[in-house]
Amino acid sequence: NAGVMQNPRHLVRRRGQEARLRCSPMKGHSHVYWYRQLPEEGLKFMVYLQKENIIDESGMPKERFSAEFPKEGPSILRIQQVVRGDSAAYFCASSPPGGIQETQYFGPGTRLLVL
Amino acid sequence: DAKTTQPPSMDCAEGRAANLPCNHSTISGNEYVYWYRQIHSQGPQYIIHGLKNNETNEMASLIITEDRKSSTLILPHATLRDTAVYYCIVRVGQRGAQKLVFGQGTRLTINP
Repeated sequence: NAGVMQNPRHLVRRRGQEARLRCSPMKGHSHVYWYRQLPEEGLKFMVYLQKENIIDESGMPKERFSAEFPKEGPSILRIQQVVRGDSAAYFCASSPPGGIQETQYFGPGTRLLVL
Repeated sequence: DAKTTQPPSMDCAEGRAANLPCNHSTISGNEYVYWYRQIHSQGPQYIIHGLKNNETNEMASLIITEDRKSSTLILPHATLRDTAVYYCIVRVGQRGAQKLVFGQGTRLTINP
């Protein structure tokens, strides 16, 4: 059973460009979470999605960031008009449907560098 | 949200047991204690979780005090590959909001 997959693993963008980060959850998992880790800091929750629904986006910046998890295909974290402060590692996690305490499993992350 | 407190760093000799403490004095009765670790900026790796009973799996053991205000993660025979940042997390949220709140964790260094 393949784990959580993220691509690209590394992404370089110039200021003002768009970044698209993709996450494929583990087989059988329908819940996806995105976290961001700034250099030398801990992980911070961004958004929690189920298929076609955003459940909790309390950690998402109000502007330029959006996330989706369509019925078919991977979850996408989109950052428009990137700035240098967006440089970070972005981790996706997934969990199966079920009770409130389902364990989250993390992917390897996407390292975004904004020049 | 229940908060956790961990020592910022610890050292352990290779082959010895590593005991990582965590305080969570405000934990609620239905909140679980989870442990993850992050090896050199890789994705966090799930280790173990528990509610009130001690738990053991192939990676580690989790000892939770009777009052549930603290816990200890035990790596029975630490190896160099266990060098990582270890996060103790109390699962927050209600149905529909299941985010993990990461603190600063404990940076565990296994020495040869």
